[in-house]
Amino acid sequence: NAGVTQTPKFRILKIGQSMTLQCTQDMNHNYMYWYRQDPGMGLKLIYYSVGAGITDKGEVPNGYNVSRSTTEDFPLRLELAAPSQTSVYFCAIRQGGDNSPLHFGNGTRLTVT
Amino acid sequence: AQTVTQSQPEMSVQEAETVTLSCTYDTSESDYYLFWYKQPPSRQMILVIRQEAYKQQNATENRFSVNFQKAAKSFSLKISDSQLGDAAMYFCARNYGGSQGNLIFGKGTKLSVKP
Repeated sequence: NAGVTQTPKFRILKIGQSMTLQCTQDMNHNYMYWYRQDPGMGLKLIYYSVGAGITDKGEVPNGYNVSRSTTEDFPLRLELAAPSQTSVYFCAIRQGGDNSPLHFGNGTRLTVT
Repeated sequence: AQTVTQSQPEMSVQEAETVTLSCTYDTSESDYYLFWYKQPPSRQMILVIRQEAYKQQNATENRFSVNFQKAAKSFSLKISDSQLGDAAMYFCARNYGGSQGNLIFGKGTKLSVKP
């Protein structure tokens, strides 16, 4: 998985709780991404970062926050968990220049009940 | 709207046979990249193959090849000599956003391989 580590692997939250999904890379890449995958669907972009201190919204950012204080870490924060956020979350890095493929972590399965 | 469409929710193939998964996309750009990712039950996303839109030659990676029709905005994946380990979800994706490298994905095709 190209040096992308996601924790935890699984988590169950109650409605209204908050949590942070961790993503760490050990390859010093600038570009990092957060995607979510709902059952039976493809991946949708939540947030991305082109380098430390720089983040931007993707297609489905509502209900999430991110930060990028270091090159290595790109945590995703859920402040008030809702059932609609039940999904599998993937962190990814881009290893090369423009249009290089993304390499994904192993994902976090989150259930909100 | 930028879309990637996979019209086959499920496909099945006999071991050692050949199967083709379909993908169409929408774009107004002339230069872009296309990808096929494999997602086995372990849920890991694995890059299978990629195609550069400005290259007319179809990409090939061992048993995997693509049929890229730029004018038709079609990007199908052919798996030859199918193996049991090929059973997985397959996602077609296209990049957008220029240097940002974001990907938009189709909904996927579930491939079953029969022994």
